[in-house]
Amino acid sequence: AQKITQTQPGMFVQEKEAVTLDCTYDTSDQSYGLFWYKQPSSGEMIFLIYQGSYDEQNATEGRYSLNFQKARKSANLVISASQLGDSAMYFCAMREGQMKTSYDKVIFGPGTSLSVIP
Amino acid sequence: GAGVSQSPSNKVTEKGKDVELRCDPISGHTALYWYRQSLGQGLEFLIYFQGNSAPDKSGLPSDRFSAERTGGSVSTLTIQRTQQEDSAVYLCASSLTLHSNQPQHFGDGTRLSIL
Repeated sequence: AQKITQTQPGMFVQEKEAVTLDCTYDTSDQSYGLFWYKQPSSGEMIFLIYQGSYDEQNATEGRYSLNFQKARKSANLVISASQLGDSAMYFCAMREGQMKTSYDKVIFGPGTSLSVIP
Repeated sequence: GAGVSQSPSNKVTEKGKDVELRCDPISGHTALYWYRQSLGQGLEFLIYFQGNSAPDKSGLPSDRFSAERTGGSVSTLTIQRTQQEDSAVYLCASSLTLHSNQPQHFGDGTRLSIL
């Protein structure tokens, strides 16, 4: 079963506008972490933001914020004031629990391609 | 260095040859991960290390794939008798620990092309 779902394969946003990239996840763990990564066309994976399952506040990092709705199991990334350099693939990822030796890895969603239009 | 270093950055080889990919994690990071990313696809988890130990090898695509880590630092991913379907970008990442709040820091990857 898909653990991480990103329903938007491609998104367009006007420069300087805000955009929301969707992510839903599936886990039975109480303790987990959610991450967003950016992958520009150059290929490197860049860590953007982290949200812990017990964090009461939504995470923010500069222009990035994470809209965490635990009951709905969603962790949408909001990028404010989009810039041309934001054009990239964006991956939502989850790490479940802690030190589960049989299943301790970060699971990535299929990604959303964001294009910022001048 | 400051980040995760992978070598070579590009590798072109003939089908049937063996290849060895290297990853040098961030100093002090105990956890190390290997992923594979095919063109236009997401990340496929291969294997992770806690120290020198790899508790879960089930993500390796076949018995032609193996990985080791020595000294709690450098890791090598070896692919024997390469096939064309092995062509992909192989990404290595490290994190300080395996705790769920630890982000992974990625290297630039090795682009492997099998002719």
